[in-house]
Amino acid sequence: EIVMTQSPATLSVSPGERATLSCRASQSVSSNLAWYQQKPGQAPRLLIYGTSTRATGIPARFSGSGSGTEFTLTISSLQSEDFAVYYCQHYNNWSFGQGTKLEIK
Amino acid sequence: QLQLQESGPGLVKPSETLSLTCTVSGGSISSSYYHWGWVRQPPGKGLEWIGSIHYSGSTYYNPSLKSRLTTSIDTSKNQFSLNLRSVTAADTAIYYCASAHSPLGVPWSAFDIWGQGTMVTVSS
Repeated sequence: EIVMTQSPATLSVSPGERATLSCRASQSVSSNLAWYQQKPGQAPRLLIYGTSTRATGIPARFSGSGSGTEFTLTISSLQSEDFAVYYCQHYNNWSFGQGTKLEIK
Repeated sequence: QLQLQESGPGLVKPSETLSLTCTVSGGSISSSYYHWGWVRQPPGKGLEWIGSIHYSGSTYYNPSLKSRLTTSIDTSKNQFSLNLRSVTAADTAIYYCASAHSPLGVPWSAFDIWGQGTMVTVSS
C-alpha cells in the first residue's frame, strides 16, 4: 500500500509571499499526482493533475512539480483566497495525503 | 457543465446500511470517459477515497472498506449509488461524490468535479 505524507501539517505564510507544500510517497510512484484545495464548508477543488498540469480555471500562481517519491505544490504569491487546506492524491490507488493547512502569518 | 448532487439520509443507526445516491446533470453517466467516485471526510479530518465505478460495471474499492461496500449505476436515472453495510460511529462523515475524467477512459484520473457533500451521522 502506498502512503502519501504531506508536510508540514500547518504552514504560516504572509500574503504576497511564496508557499511551498510537500507530498511524499512511501515508494516511487507515477506522475499521477493531484493537488486539491479545500476551504471551510466547501468541497475540495482540483488544482493540479498529472503532477504539473493546472486544472481548468486555476491561476498560474499555482504550480506543481516532482517525481519519484517527492512532489511539491508552489503558490508563487499568496492571495487572501489561497488560505485553505491542501491535499495531494496519488490517483493510481486514489490515496490522499493527510493535508496541509495554509494559514495567514 | 457537469454537476453532481448527493442525496440520502443524514442519520443512520449503528449496524445498519448507509445508502447514498449521486445525481449527475449536464452530462451522461454512460460516457466511457468518466469514472464516478465516492470520497468521505470525518469531521475535522482528511479525505478518504471510498470507491469508484464505471458505467460498464467496473468497480474499484478501498481495501479497508471493500467487505462492506457496494456501488452501482442507474443509467436510466443518470445516478450512481453507494451502500455501506454494518456502519459504526467511525463511518460518520461528509460523503462526497465526484467525477474523474480521462480521455483514455482509464479509472486512474483525478477527481475534477465534486458534489457539495452530504453529512451522514451514525448514531442510535
